[in-house]
Amino acid sequence: AQKVTQAQTEISVVEKEDVTLDCVYETRDTTYYLFWYKQPPSGELVFLIRRNSFDEQNEISGRYSWNFQKSTSSFNFTITASQVVDSAVYFCALIRPQGGSEKLVFGKGTKLTVNP
Amino acid sequence: SAVISQKPSRDICQRGTSLTIQCQVDSQVTMMFWYRQQPGQSLTLIATANQGSEATYESGFVIDKFPISRPNLTFSTLTVSNMSPEDSSIYLCSLGGRLTDTQYFGPGTRLTVL
Repeated sequence: AQKVTQAQTEISVVEKEDVTLDCVYETRDTTYYLFWYKQPPSGELVFLIRRNSFDEQNEISGRYSWNFQKSTSSFNFTITASQVVDSAVYFCALIRPQGGSEKLVFGKGTKLTVNP
Repeated sequence: SAVISQKPSRDICQRGTSLTIQCQVDSQVTMMFWYRQQPGQSLTLIATANQGSEATYESGFVIDKFPISRPNLTFSTLTVSNMSPEDSSIYLCSLGGRLTDTQYFGPGTRLTVL
């Protein structure tokens, strides 16, 4: 069975601090995709990144970086020099193949609060 | 990426009534999904809507409560029927469905049932 665990329910930091959001996943599939989404207070779900299971290269996009390690089944997300606008709930998700229809399995989310 | 719109963006409804949520996409897509996010919770898939066939519902969701239409490749509706306060949630539609797709989400419909 596929499962995504985000152990950190809430994190609070002060602006300019670095913060890492943890994501651990379980799957028996050899091919899968992992995602991170951001949900600001307005409620929309904003796509941040997609990573396939064969690409373990770390990715950096501005202040955001992702560390994918298959050995530990983790796909962690780091925000460098956090800003107040980064305050949101962040979801990690896994694509679950099922009979030709691939569906997202979400973690419970981590609420990040960045204080000025 | 596709542009997805949802109507209404929010609504406050009375117990026992029904609300139909619309999802419009600016390009043709085969699969559309409807998710529910209860307050403070993660997203849960309600059903998968393919054009030209009946929607496929996840465990715990039934067609009588959440009827779905998919009349063409750019549009879908989700109805929340006979609402109760427990139906207060954000409802989101999304696209994608293949392993190689990125699943994008609509802006969501924030529903409050009194």
